[in-house]
Amino acid sequence: GENVEQHPSTLSVQEGDSAVIKCTYSDSASNYFPWYKQELGKRPQLIIDIRSNVGEKKDQRIAVTLNKTAKHFSLHITETQPEDSAVYFCAPQDLDTGRRALTFGSGTRLQVQP
Amino acid sequence: GAVVSQHPSRVICKSGTSVKIECRSLDFQATTMFWYRQFPKQSLMLMATSNEGSKATYEQGVEKDKFLINHASLTLSTLTVTSAHPEDSSFYICSARPRGRGTYNEQFFGPGTRLTVL
Repeated sequence: GENVEQHPSTLSVQEGDSAVIKCTYSDSASNYFPWYKQELGKRPQLIIDIRSNVGEKKDQRIAVTLNKTAKHFSLHITETQPEDSAVYFCAPQDLDTGRRALTFGSGTRLQVQP
Repeated sequence: GAVVSQHPSRVICKSGTSVKIECRSLDFQATTMFWYRQFPKQSLMLMATSNEGSKATYEQGVEKDKFLINHASLTLSTLTVTSAHPEDSSFYICSARPRGRGTYNEQFFGPGTRLTVL
């Protein structure tokens, strides 16, 4: 099965700074790379995803970059705001297997200091 | 669209009792739903995959006789924790994958159920 690692486990930044979270995976067949955001006590929500035929995707202040050769992808948040404070999970997948359950990384707790 | 509800949101029960948690897709049909468990400050761990009209598929280490899953319709899956013990206290979250989305795998999560077993 997929072995997923996230770094760092915790990240504290000042408001306005950028934050980068890295996700490393083991299954070279993975072809779908989503990031989920979970606020305290709430449900995870998909914030951005990328397919393996694309190297980078951006949506306003957030972006995801993919390095398939090295088997890692990263979440980039620019101009961070206090409401970005949450736990972020990656969940790389191989959509071709038919398995649809998500294997989440261990999570990164982001704290944005006002 | 794509709203998933869970009921109850919180439940406190005595050790040895059973608790049923419902997961509903409100505005879409879901042939597949997933049940995850999340301990404090930890990641979500898949417990089982619930398939409408067939038996659930459990992950290794999850007791199927303890965590009963029923997916009787395209909009409802239930998880029953039988003979609950304090170590079953956790945050249980379901997710649902809309029917007919092909290989695309966006899933929608319920708000979670916090179970406390005394």
